[in-house]
Amino acid sequence: DGGITQSPKYLFRKEGQNVTLSCEQNLNHDAMYWYRQDPGQGLRLIYYSQIVNDFQKGDIAEGYSVSREKKESFPLTVTSAQKNPTAFYLCASSKQGGDGELFFGEGSRLTVL
Amino acid sequence: AQSVTQLDSQVPVFEEAPVELRCNYSSSVSVYLFWYVQYPNQGLQLLLKYLSGSTLVKSINGFEAEFNKSQTSFHLRKPSVHISDTAEYFCAVRPPNSGNTPLVFGKGTRLSVIA
Repeated sequence: DGGITQSPKYLFRKEGQNVTLSCEQNLNHDAMYWYRQDPGQGLRLIYYSQIVNDFQKGDIAEGYSVSREKKESFPLTVTSAQKNPTAFYLCASSKQGGDGELFFGEGSRLTVL
Repeated sequence: AQSVTQLDSQVPVFEEAPVELRCNYSSSVSVYLFWYVQYPNQGLQLLLKYLSGSTLVKSINGFEAEFNKSQTSFHLRKPSVHISDTAEYFCAVRPPNSGNTPLVFGKGTRLSVIA
């Protein structure tokens, strides 16, 4: 079945450590996105990529980095510069030239101790 | 810039009662509108979307939403809710023909269905 796989689902890290969240899709979608979700704040866009080897900052990119070396993969690194990294992270993808509908992964919950 | 306002952060409702979750967007141009549902500790799933044509759109599980251009609204309704409808619901908007411009989401409405 086609879909988006995020891993790990739960992750605990100590303050000051970098963390990389994985996102892989087999939907053959060109565009991929990372959102952060906090209680009561909805979804906030971190980064998105419309094509391989290109990506754009979203509304809250500070303290995060991404790469897009393959169409299927869009990993997110939460760096030690991110002041409040504990959150639920959602990866999504969409078709090029479509209506913008996003297909989401199951999410990764990061807790920084 | 586009914005979406979900007027209620929490909506408690008794089982089998009707419910309306409100969504307003800020745009003077045509938009595509979406409702997503999120169950605890899961990703978002598309519930329904409005692109053009009939202003009333329906999902397979009894929800419906009506696009109202003059009021810039896209409220979600269900005539009779079930316990299994307990979830968080997000409204989202995007201009048409805007490439892969990311969706802009509201802050969500948590629907709690009470037995």
